[in-house]
Amino acid sequence: GAVVSQHPSRVICKSGTSVKIECRSLDFQATTMFWYRQFPKQSLMLMATSNEGSKATYEQGVEKDKFLINHASLTLSTLTVTSAHPEDSSFYICSATPGRDYNEQFFGPGTRLTVL
Amino acid sequence: GQNIDQPTEMTATEGAIVQINCTYQTSGFNGLFWYQQHAGEAPTFLSYNVLDGLEEKGRFSSFLSRSKGYSYLLLKELQMKDSASYLCAVSDSNYQLIWGAGTKLIIKP
Repeated sequence: GAVVSQHPSRVICKSGTSVKIECRSLDFQATTMFWYRQFPKQSLMLMATSNEGSKATYEQGVEKDKFLINHASLTLSTLTVTSAHPEDSSFYICSATPGRDYNEQFFGPGTRLTVL
Repeated sequence: GQNIDQPTEMTATEGAIVQINCTYQTSGFNGLFWYQQHAGEAPTFLSYNVLDGLEEKGRFSSFLSRSKGYSYLLLKELQMKDSASYLCAVSDSNYQLIWGAGTKLIIKP
């Protein structure tokens, strides 16, 4: 149980385009979902926390207009990287928790974004 | 500020034992996690400690001392597939996960 999927697993796009990444909890309802970014050889960096039906809470330094997060249902959250640039190339990972206790986070497999 | 420290890289031999240390300073404490992350993959959960002491799970054990702000992950009977990064993360007073930079473990035959 507690499976989280992400789609796509890998995407290559041109600079200036927008990319949407989906995160789904397959066998549980995710009250809260988290979006992380990880650059090579660095640790996970929390970008934002989203609760179903409300606006996402962004971490300091993360542009909310560039990284649009929508958590429209209890099983789906999307991250849209708008007007992507090469510096946005990274590994994006989502995680989900079934309750308000964030101690139980289940991670998706990640999405490798490469912006040319 | 909040801080998690763990060694950047460690090397060990197949079949041996290795201990990866983690020290933390956070605003509040609601548990400490260890995750394993293979290159290019998402982290996978290994262990969770919220009380002092040792938690054993197969070849992996995790220890916590809250008074010292210290934890370690102990890996026994090392296998080549254990080559990965090991991430220490602490849940703070707001239940936010504060992540360490990870320890890259290299296993040699």
